[in-house]
Amino acid sequence: DAGVTQSPTHLIKTRGQQVTLRCSPKSGHDTVSWYQQALGQGPQFIFQYYEEEERQRGNFPDRFSGHQFPNYSSELNVNALLLGDSALYLCASSLVSGSQETQYFGPGTRLLVL
Amino acid sequence: GENVEQHPSTLSVQEGDSAVIKCTYSDSASNYFPWYKQELGKGPQLIIDIRSNVGEKKDQRIAVTLNKTAKHFSLHITETQPEDSAVYFCAASKGGSYIPTFGRGTSLIVHP
Repeated sequence: DAGVTQSPTHLIKTRGQQVTLRCSPKSGHDTVSWYQQALGQGPQFIFQYYEEEERQRGNFPDRFSGHQFPNYSSELNVNALLLGDSALYLCASSLVSGSQETQYFGPGTRLLVL
Repeated sequence: GENVEQHPSTLSVQEGDSAVIKCTYSDSASNYFPWYKQELGKGPQLIIDIRSNVGEKKDQRIAVTLNKTAKHFSLHITETQPEDSAVYFCAASKGGSYIPTFGRGTSLIVHP
């Protein structure tokens, strides 16, 4: 059973550029959430996608956008990159069932903005 | 919104000792409390979770306790091993969103 996969593993960009990160959820999961994890911090929620719609959004600017495809995979796009966007970007998948959701994380994409 | 405080930030123990990590949360509506282990260069891995209708849960050497009245929950690891060395995160979430709010993490170091 494949877990959550993310690509690429590492990425280096310069300020002002745009980046796209990709995520494939765990088999059978239909919901994808994205998090930003700065060094030494816990993950911070960016947004969540379910049924190809943004379901919830955290406190991140509009430069952060996303998409979910019919096969439940997802992309995170960040425009006009800032130095402060350097972080580990984590994707987590879950299944909307019953009354609880447990999130399973991928290995992350480490983004460095120079 | 929810605020999760986690202590200590660093915990150093000898192999075989027990380790305890404590978290408090602010939103009394929170009802799901997962714990994650994050090894260097990897994503967080769920190790145990507890729901608000349960006061304690155990899984081999790992246990979690929840005190809803005091709004705090703890992770207990017994007979620690060097491979337990990692950063541990607590989190809290509630029905309707289930988006976890994470603590800042505890770096556990187990010395052989």
